Amino acid sequence: QKEVEQNSGPLSVPEGAIASLNCTYSDRGSQSFFWYRQYSGKSPELIMFIYSNGDKEDGRFTAQLNKASQYVSLLIRDSQPSDSATYLCAVRGVGGSYIPTFGRGTSLIVHP
Amino acid sequence: DVKVTQSSRYLVKRTGEKVFLECVQDMDHENMFWYRQDPGLGLRLIYFSYDVKMKEKGDIPEGYSVSREKKERFSLILESASTNQTSMYLCASSFMANNEQFFGPGTRLTVL
Repeated sequence: QKEVEQNSGPLSVPEGAIASLNCTYSDRGSQSFFWYRQYSGKSPELIMFIYSNGDKEDGRFTAQLNKASQYVSLLIRDSQPSDSATYLCAVRGVGGSYIPTFGRGTSLIVHP
Repeated sequence: DVKVTQSSRYLVKRTGEKVFLECVQDMDHENMFWYRQDPGLGLRLIYFSYDVKMKEKGDIPEGYSVSREKKERFSLILESASTNQTSMYLCASSFMANNEQFFGPGTRLTVL
């Protein structure tokens, strides 16, 4: 069974805080992990991808991967109201498929 | 920049009509995908194509068919539209199937 799980939220954080978004996956063989951002009424756009255990940083965004515990996280530092969106986690290798499987997304609200 | 375009942003059709949704990408990508996105259900893969004239079923292919006669164009066909096919349809492309996906703006289809 393909499973990529995300808390639907909404996750509400104040401006300037760190937002932490989590994603768990069921298949230990999963290999590639992607975070997409989707604004209301728009299509998803890639923020980051990560393949190896540990942290990967890009500006205010940090992706964290822990394959032993089967979770991947996205941290957003110094959150801004413009970060308010739905964040989708996608995992490749779930169930042996080379096509990424998407979670249902977490809604983030950053309030001034 | 990769550009993925879709033929319509909004479409209204009647039950039983044949519906064509067109997607074009300009980056010579091998792989193209059709998803539908519904509230609470996330992105669900309908079909994908890894080469011209090649196609693979996704998670929810029933009621849909696809066509890829040229590398840059991937069409989704609803042979006989039904009200439960009212949804947002998103096309995506990627260089390789396991790489990041680039999404088109989406077509919001309403079937009356």
